[in-house]
Order: sequence, then C-alpha cells, then structure tokens
Amino acid sequence: NAGVTQTPKFQVLKTGQSMTLQCAQDMNHEYMSWYRQDPGMGLRLIHYSVGAGITDQGEVPNGYNVSRSTTEDFPLRLLSAAPSQTSVYFCASSYTPQGREQYFGPGTRLTVT
Amino acid sequence: AQTVTQSQPEMSVQEAETVTLSCTYDTSESDYYLFWYKQPPSRQMILVIRQEAYKQQNATENRFSVNFQKAAKSFSLKISDSQLGDAAMYFCAYRRRTPTMIQGAQKLVFGQGTRLTINP
Repeated sequence: NAGVTQTPKFQVLKTGQSMTLQCAQDMNHEYMSWYRQDPGMGLRLIHYSVGAGITDQGEVPNGYNVSRSTTEDFPLRLLSAAPSQTSVYFCASSYTPQGREQYFGPGTRLTVT
Repeated sequence: AQTVTQSQPEMSVQEAETVTLSCTYDTSESDYYLFWYKQPPSRQMILVIRQEAYKQQNATENRFSVNFQKAAKSFSLKISDSQLGDAAMYFCAYRRRTPTMIQGAQKLVFGQGTRLTINP
C-alpha cells in the first residue's frame, strides 16, 4: 500500500490563478479530509467526505471546492488563489468516519504571490 | 465548540532525559479520543499515541506515555529516555467519538503545537 499520497509537494501560484491539489489513498477508506496548517496554528479542517459523492464543509472552506467521484481520490480545488491561502495542505483518511486513526499524506506546500 | 490548547510553544531536553508536554482541552462531550501527533522536519504527521476518554488507564507506547486527567481536561505527553530522533513539532488533538453519522463529528481539532528540541 502506498497509503495517502499527495501531489504536488510544492507549488507556487500567482494571485488569481486556479489549481487542484491531488489526494489519493489505496486503503479503501471511506472518510477523507483536507486540512491546512499555518504557522503558530494547528491544522484546521477545510472540507471532508464520508464517501463517494458525499462532501461537506469544515472550519475554513471559503475559496476551496472539493468533489469525491471515487473512493480513492479527493481533490482540493483553489478557484482563485489568494495570498491568504499560502499554507501547507494535508490530506487525511480513515477506514470509516468513526475510525480511530486518521492517516495523513506528506503535505503540499503552497505559496501564493 | 471544542478547543485544544498547548501552552508551551517550545521545549528542550537533554538526550536521555525525560520531558513532559502539556495539553488542555475544552469540550462538553463525554466520549472522545485524544491524540498526540509528531511532525518532524519532513512534515509528515505521525500518530504517536491515542487515548480513549472512556478508558481510565493511561495509554503507553514504548517510551511515550500520557497522563490523562478527564475531570481537569488535561492530556500531557511524557517522553522518556529522549532521543535525537524525537526532535519535532508535537500536536495534541481531539476528536469526538460517535457511533452515528453526525455532521463534522469526525474532524480533528488541533492545538497550536510544541516544538521539542533534543540537546546532545
């Protein structure tokens, strides 16, 4: 198993550009989520999904879209990048929404200039 | 809303010594999980230890153990025989434990983190 994979590892965008952060897991996990990590703060939930076709907002969803067309993939879309979205983004998954442990991907460092 | 607070932005310890990282949390729930995650410079989030709130016994994993005080809402991490590889950011996190599908119940709530330095 590759676990949770994220691409790219690093990305630089200009203000107003759009892009998609990719997340995939090969563990047949139902629950997937996206977090962002900013300096001096812990991780904060952006969006999550409890299964294919089902997504919902977390704490900080503004400026981001998600979809879940397959169990394996959960991409995060930035519609019009802003400097406030400069952050490290983590994808996480667990076998069920009630699963005791969430497995994290390696993260994507995004800089918006 | 649940909150998690780590009051020590930075800690340092001599190699082979013991260090304790503090964490407090606020919740009105009675059933939940508490976690400590380690984040080394590689950025990878690594689960160190997990505690179920319904269990009175403190969790241990090799050199890592917790002091879980449910009434005080305190959840500290003790690292014994510190090693250079323990140097990292450590995050305390909380999650509700619910048998049903409640919106947002699965999210992890993180503290701000404690940077641990190991002095050789």
